[in-house]
Amino acid sequence: GAVVSQHPSWVICKSGTSVKIECRSLDFQATTMFWYRQFPKQSLMLMATSNEGSKATYEQGVEKDKFLINHASLTLSTLTVTSAHPEDSSFYICSARAPGQGYEQYFGPGTRLTVT
Amino acid sequence: RKEVEQDPGPFNVPEGATVAFNCTYSNSASQSFFWYRQDCRKEPKLLMSVYSSGNEDGRFTAQLNRASQYISLLIRDSKLSDSATYLCVVNVKTGGFKTIFGAGTRLFVKA
Repeated sequence: GAVVSQHPSWVICKSGTSVKIECRSLDFQATTMFWYRQFPKQSLMLMATSNEGSKATYEQGVEKDKFLINHASLTLSTLTVTSAHPEDSSFYICSARAPGQGYEQYFGPGTRLTVT
Repeated sequence: RKEVEQDPGPFNVPEGATVAFNCTYSNSASQSFFWYRQDCRKEPKLLMSVYSSGNEDGRFTAQLNRASQYISLLIRDSKLSDSATYLCVVNVKTGGFKTIFGAGTRLFVKA
């Protein structure tokens, strides 16, 4: 149980285009999902917390107009990187809290974004 | 001071060795604790939760000392496949829950 999928697994796009990444909880409902970014050899960095039916909560320094998050259902959250630039190239990972006492997070397989 | 601090790495050990990772957390409102492993260019995967009484899963033993705000992970009989980055993760109760990740400790197990 507690499987999280993410799509696409990798994407290459040109500067100025927008990219949408989907995160789905496959066998449980997730009222809260999280979006992280990880640069090579660096730690995970939390970008935002996605709440079903309400606005996402963004971490300090993360532009909400650039990284649009929509959590329209209990099993799906999307992250759209708008007007992508090469510096947005990174590994984007979503996670969801599985129901249970420990509030552990399960991660999607990640999306590797390369902006040329 | 970071909220969750881990041993600086990397750890280089031979196959069969026992290796211990340490982690300290600063927030006394921390409620639940986990170890994750992350392979290169992959997502973190939950290795085990950490309980106050200590818990074991095969070659892996996790311990929690709430008084000292300290968590450990012991790996016995290291395998080549144990090579990864090990992340200490803490959930802090702040109304809801806030998850704090340690920076990770890199482990290399060599033949």
